[in-house]
Amino acid sequence: GAVVSQHPSWVICKSGTSVKIECRSLDFQATTMFWYRQFPKQSLMLMATSNEGSKATYEQGVEKDKFLINHASLTLSTLTVTSAHPEDSSFYICSARAQFRGGTDTQYFGPGTRLTVL
Amino acid sequence: SQELEQSPQSLIVQEGKNLTINCTSSKTLYGLYWYKQKYGEGLIFLMMLQKGGEEKSHEKITAKLDEKKQQSSLHITASQPSHAGIYLCGADIVGSNTGKLIFGQGTTLQVKP
Repeated sequence: GAVVSQHPSWVICKSGTSVKIECRSLDFQATTMFWYRQFPKQSLMLMATSNEGSKATYEQGVEKDKFLINHASLTLSTLTVTSAHPEDSSFYICSARAQFRGGTDTQYFGPGTRLTVL
Repeated sequence: SQELEQSPQSLIVQEGKNLTINCTSSKTLYGLYWYKQKYGEGLIFLMMLQKGGEEKSHEKITAKLDEKKQQSSLHITASQPSHAGIYLCGADIVGSNTGKLIFGQGTTLQVKP
């Protein structure tokens, strides 16, 4: 099956610093990736759509200057949390959209990154 | 209110028993996805349904889509401890080939040996 990796799996940082999270599709190309945020015991909240070769589109209420997204290649998207604060602490998960021949359109998720801001 | 409601929120079953989890949308479904998550980990893709009446099975898990009712069900037969986890349904309610999904709040399943 399709594999998506995330790095790092967890990170602890001081308030005010920036943190970069990578999302890679390992065995397929993904023109579209998505970034989600998940709070403890809650569902996933879509933050933004990452498009290869163009600007990301953000969901309502998500600050684009706070959460910088770069889709550098067909297999890599990065999310940078700038000037992180404790309220940014969360579980961040990416997904990569796989569109195969025959019309199958599925999203595969990475293992997530646990961010803790002190 | 949630656009995608899952029920029940949690479930405890004895090993070997069957169970069903439901996912109901308040909007038209253009695609319905089922995932499994262990707490603090990523989502494992189980199945995707697109057409009304569609039914898919993988090992002991079967998912069905009732397009008219805007509802999907996930059925596990003869549950095992390895089935324990959080089951999430994700739905494309936008269409237009955006790929955007919204998720239900999840159903936590415990299987007692």
